[in-house]
Amino acid sequence: GIQVEQSPPDLILQEGANSTLRCNFSDSVNNLQWFHQNPWGQLINLFYIPSGTKQNGRLSATTVATERYSLLYISSSQTTDSGVYFCAVGKAGGTSYGKLTFGQGTILTVHP
Amino acid sequence: DARVTQTPRDKVTEMGQEVTMRCQPILGHNTVFWYRQTMMQGLELLAYFRNRAPLDDSGMPKDRFSAEMPDATLATLKIQPSEPRDSAVYFCASGLSGGTQYFGPGTRLTVL
Repeated sequence: GIQVEQSPPDLILQEGANSTLRCNFSDSVNNLQWFHQNPWGQLINLFYIPSGTKQNGRLSATTVATERYSLLYISSSQTTDSGVYFCAVGKAGGTSYGKLTFGQGTILTVHP
Repeated sequence: DARVTQTPRDKVTEMGQEVTMRCQPILGHNTVFWYRQTMMQGLELLAYFRNRAPLDDSGMPKDRFSAEMPDATLATLKIQPSEPRDSAVYFCASGLSGGTQYFGPGTRLTVL
């Protein structure tokens, strides 16, 4: 199956710092999503971004599908950004359509 | 504000007992997913439905797990008999085919 690798595994920041999280995947995909799992365990969808660039407030994401990677940028980090960030990818076709494979996540800790 | 709901939120049971988890997907969504999250394995897809038909349950131990969608507003995941290694957080997610997935709050299962 498709492999998803996220880096770094852990990241510690001071409030106000910027960061970049990376997601590499082993095969062509037509579905890529970024999620944030907050300290209470809730998984929140941040971006649906199989290609191109999107921005939502202090967060933005870029996927270069031809090179099989995606980046999540967090600017001016806040303590509420703490949690685990997951990248998940899916391939087109048949019963795989819509199915996502998750990476192991990046644990982000933002200190005040 | 439409959201995926799951019951129960927490379940503690003894080994050998039957466990049933329920999920109400967002109205209008045609795909429903069951995931399991553990520290060791991360987020794993257990089963996946489109238009209430099971498409993929290859991630599920067939001898003890079963997943069904008796109607468009209810998805169930059953474990019989439960074992301590089934202890995990079980998430339900829904979406439109190939699109953004929206996660429920999860059911934290502890099997003693």
